[in-house]
This record gives sequence, C-alpha cells and structure tokens, in this order.
Amino acid sequence: GAGVSQTPSNKVTEKGKYVELRCDPISGHTALYWYRQSLGQGPEFLIYFQGTGAADDSGLPNDRFFAVRPEGSVSTLKIQRTERGDSAVYLCASSLGPKNIQYFGAGTRLSVL
Amino acid sequence: QKEVEQNSGPLSVPEGAIASLNCTYSDRGSQSFFWYRQYSGKSPELIMFIYSNGDKEDGRFTAQLNKASQYVSLLIRDSQPSDSATYLCAVNMGTGANNLFFGTGTRLTVIP
Repeated sequence: GAGVSQTPSNKVTEKGKYVELRCDPISGHTALYWYRQSLGQGPEFLIYFQGTGAADDSGLPNDRFFAVRPEGSVSTLKIQRTERGDSAVYLCASSLGPKNIQYFGAGTRLSVL
Repeated sequence: QKEVEQNSGPLSVPEGAIASLNCTYSDRGSQSFFWYRQYSGKSPELIMFIYSNGDKEDGRFTAQLNKASQYVSLLIRDSQPSDSATYLCAVNMGTGANNLFFGTGTRLTVIP
C-alpha cells in the first residue's frame, strides 16, 4: 500500500467492552510499532514487531493490552475490559527494518465512555 | 526525569522569520534523532532525521545535533503560515531498543 493504513479511524465504546484496532503497514516493511498518544503529549511506545514476533512489548501498560501480527504484515491491537483512561489516539508505524525511519498511520481515536 | 524534553510553547514567529525548536535527551547512547511535524488531528509526518554531530540541511529545514550536550534542534527558515503545527522531537535511544522516545512537542504558530 501507499502508506500505513489504520482502521477504524474512530472507535467509541463503553467501559468494560473489548476492542480491536487494525494496522496495515507499508508493503515490504518488516518492522511494525504501536504507540499511544494522549492529548497534549507525544506518542508513547506500546509494542514493536519484527516479522511475526513481538520483539519488545515493554510499553504495554497492563495485561488488558495485547497485539498480534500472525503473518508478518497486518497487526491487531486488542484491548480487553476497556477503561476510560484508555481513551487516546492509537498510532501505528512501520519501517523497512529495525532502526529505520518510521512512517505513521493516521491513527485510531478511541473513546471509552 | 523525562527522557526527551521539549519546550511545549507555544512559539510564535512572524512569517518569513526563522523558527528555532529545541530538544534535549537523557541517554548518551542515543543514536538517531528525528523531527516530526503533526498538524492538529493528524498523524506525525517525518520532517528531518540526523545521525551525526553537526548540521543537516533540507530545503528550509536544518537539523543540528550536538551529542556532547545531548541537544538537537530544528531551524525553519522563511517560516510560512503552513508551518504552523506541533513539532515532535523523537530519539532512538540505541540501547537495544528500536522504538522512538518522543518529547511532548512544541506548538509553532507562524503569524502572517
């Protein structure tokens, strides 16, 4: 694809519900990153995939958050039992390989009511 | 202690002036440095990257890196109203990590 694609662009859910956010990276990019950006803050790292495996998940805030990338391309970020504090813009980025320039998608704005 | 620090601004400059944006970072082992521009409600867009000490120029933009002082800056010459955005400084800490650490961003307004 031409760029990193994220769906949905907006997601409104109720506290306690489960949500899935999808990221389709730039074709050929092996590295994929998830970040979370709260209002007035810079993006904060959540998890990094190299190929199919999660090479670094140290940024996931707790075990309600999980992400997969089963075929080394599309990734899904899963949030269980959502809380109001999970409300933020979830950004996905991809790069040709580790240490390379990261290109960001437009993000998914998650609102937990 | 924050790992990447920026003055949150807002920074206002008149059209045609030079805008100077600054960033400091805590990890001496940091290897690569990036400036992203983010318009309100949009995703970060890469403007410049720099790996070595000194200056790197690209059009109206110049990135400056001083590893001894742990300081990186972005200069925007001949500022235009379309440059009005939040500028995010991002650092790859290089300690085995591949993710970026971001500052909180500096909001720049270019006044016509």
